[in-house]
Amino acid sequence: EAGVVQSPRYKIIEKKQPVAFWCNPISGHNTLYWYLQNLGQGPELLIRYENEEAVDDSQLPKDRFSAERLKGVDSTLKIQPAELGDSAVYLCASSKKITGELFFGEGSRLTVL
Amino acid sequence: AQKITQTQPGMFVQEKEAVTLDCTYDTSDQSYGLFWYKQPSSGEMIFLIYQGSYDEQNATEGRYSLNFQKARKSANLVISASQLGDSAMYFCAMRADQTGANNLFFGTGTRLTVIP
Repeated sequence: EAGVVQSPRYKIIEKKQPVAFWCNPISGHNTLYWYLQNLGQGPELLIRYENEEAVDDSQLPKDRFSAERLKGVDSTLKIQPAELGDSAVYLCASSKKITGELFFGEGSRLTVL
Repeated sequence: AQKITQTQPGMFVQEKEAVTLDCTYDTSDQSYGLFWYKQPSSGEMIFLIYQGSYDEQNATEGRYSLNFQKARKSANLVISASQLGDSAMYFCAMRADQTGANNLFFGTGTRLTVIP
């Protein structure tokens, strides 16, 4: 069974540029999460989807961050414009049911110069 | 609000020895779940073990066991017979089913180094 796939693994951009991250969850997993992980910290939830619906986006900075999950499968997380403080790892995870364990991708490491 | 505390930024253990990684939590929910994840240098978070708040027995998965003390609100991870490949960051996490809206909240992690 394929795991959670994320791309790109690494991205370096200049501040004020846009960036997008893509996530393909495990087949059959209805719940999808985007987490932000700063260096030396634990992951922090940005947004959670149940199928196509964003059921918890309270921690997503909506002035510059947006996310979508069309057709309830793949998801895209976008930052526009990026700021220096956005440098971090963006982790995508999925679970089969809301109470199940989360399976994570390898993350997308963003560096904003 | 949910809170996970890991007070050990770093731990060292001799190969083949056992090690305990500490985790305390705080929640007002009666129903919750506790998780441990391993994050090697590659960056992927790997699920290790789960304990439900109503589980009476401590969870075990191979060399991993979770020492669950509900009254003390602690959920320590015990790794027996440490291996060099166990060197990684370890995160304790909690999902509170009511006030936490089933989201998973993580602690700040403990970096484990296994010494040959």
